[in-house]
Amino acid sequence: EIVLTQSPGTLSLSPGERATLSCRASQSISRNCLAWYQQKPGQAPRLLIYDASSRATGIPDRFSGSGSGTDFTLTISRLEPEDFAVYYCQQYAGTPWTFGQGTKVEIK
Amino acid sequence: EVQLVESGGGLVQPGGSLRLSCAASGFTSSGYWMHWVRQVPGKGLVWVSRINSDGSTILYADSVKGRFTISRDNAKNTLYLQMNSLRAEDTAVYYCARRALAGGYYDYWGQGTLVTVS
Repeated sequence: EIVLTQSPGTLSLSPGERATLSCRASQSISRNCLAWYQQKPGQAPRLLIYDASSRATGIPDRFSGSGSGTDFTLTISRLEPEDFAVYYCQQYAGTPWTFGQGTKVEIK
Repeated sequence: EVQLVESGGGLVQPGGSLRLSCAASGFTSSGYWMHWVRQVPGKGLVWVSRINSDGSTILYADSVKGRFTISRDNAKNTLYLQMNSLRAEDTAVYYCARRALAGGYYDYWGQGTLVTVS
């Protein structure tokens, strides 16, 4: 099983600042099969990024994904008020499909 | 518009059973693999089960294997999760999610249904 470790657990930032979220895998993820989701309280997760760096339909370009192998990053270039939420990475290179434990981006 | 709507959650005693449903609309569900993912309130996401488009290939997480059964009725555009021998640790919000055609990520999620085992 591929274990995903996200850091930091919580990121305290102000609107307009840049957010950098990390997702590290316990083994190399083939074909960059990694996605990022955003989840707000009481809502289902929403797909942001797939294949490590491709933005999903309708996702603003302030969200970007990068990385390969075992180290992946989600960057939010300038935080908007609606971006404060929990973010999860997920790998789909192998079964079982696994998620990171999440990074909460909170307003400082 | 793609929609996934779960139902069937509720309060059940340990050892009991529950069947969740996920009604799909806005797309031809028979063309997609579907998954169940659960989330203990306040905690992270955990994959539970997957079924391919015609129901011939099924996978389960070890934690539910032998107790849960995933199935689908493509004529009704509905996905199911039969949960037997429920335990307190099965308490969670259960989401159905559509696997994208291009890869194993989830491009659409339902709103979730809460299962409480107590």
